[in-house]
Amino acid sequence: SQQGEEDPQALSIQEGENATMNCSYKTSINNLQWYRQNSGRGLVHLILIRSNEREKHSGRLRVTLDTSKKSSSLLITASRAADTASYFCATDPNRDDKIIFGKGTRLHILP
Amino acid sequence: GAGVSQTPSNKVTEKGKYVELRCDPISGHTALYWYRQSLGQGPEFLIYFQGTGAADDSGLPNDRFFAVRPEGSVSTLKIQRTERGDSAVYLCASSLRGGTGRTEAFFGQGTRLTVV
Repeated sequence: SQQGEEDPQALSIQEGENATMNCSYKTSINNLQWYRQNSGRGLVHLILIRSNEREKHSGRLRVTLDTSKKSSSLLITASRAADTASYFCATDPNRDDKIIFGKGTRLHILP
Repeated sequence: GAGVSQTPSNKVTEKGKYVELRCDPISGHTALYWYRQSLGQGPEFLIYFQGTGAADDSGLPNDRFFAVRPEGSVSTLKIQRTERGDSAVYLCASSLRGGTGRTEAFFGQGTRLTVV
C-alpha cells in the first residue's frame, strides 16, 4: 500500500522557473527521502530529512518537513531541462524499517 | 563495486517458468530492499533485509515470491510459476544502515522482467 502521496501528479513549467512538489503521508516517520527517476530505471537519491529537521538544502534543492501536517515539499529553483524526471517521496511508516514510496510527480521542463 | 548491481538487466520468460533475479549491494551495506515498479507507478515494496535475515517481507504478493540473502551481501529474488502480471521492473537498493538510524538508499538500474 502507498504511504506517501505526491501532488501534483504532473507538472509542466518553463525553464528557469521554480518547481514545487508536495508529499503527504499518513503515519509517524523517522525520516523522509526524495528521489528522482529519469525515463529508464535508476532512482537517484536527492535528500534525506529526519523527523526532527524542518528544512534542508542541497544545491538548487530545498526540502521542508512539517510533521504536524504530515507533509513535505521539494522545491527546485531555476529549473533546467535536465530536471525533467519523475520525483518520489519515500518514508518509513510507523517508524518501521521498510521504505515506502509514493506514486510520484512527473515534472516536465519546457525549453 | 561502486554501486548496486542487478543482473540480468532484462529477462524474458515464458508463463509458468521459474526466474531468479540477482542484486549485488554496495560493499558494507547492511540493509537491502527489493521493489517492483510498473509503468507510471511508484516503486512497490516487496522485502527488506537487515544482514542475512528478512526483517520485513510483508510486501511479497504471494508465496510464489521468495528472496534470500544467505551471507548478508548478495541477494536473490526468486519467482516461481511466473504469471504475465509479474511483468515489471524489479529494483534493488542498499543502505549503510536501516531502521531508525537509516542512511540514504542507493538503487540499482533494475531488472526488466517480461513474462510472455
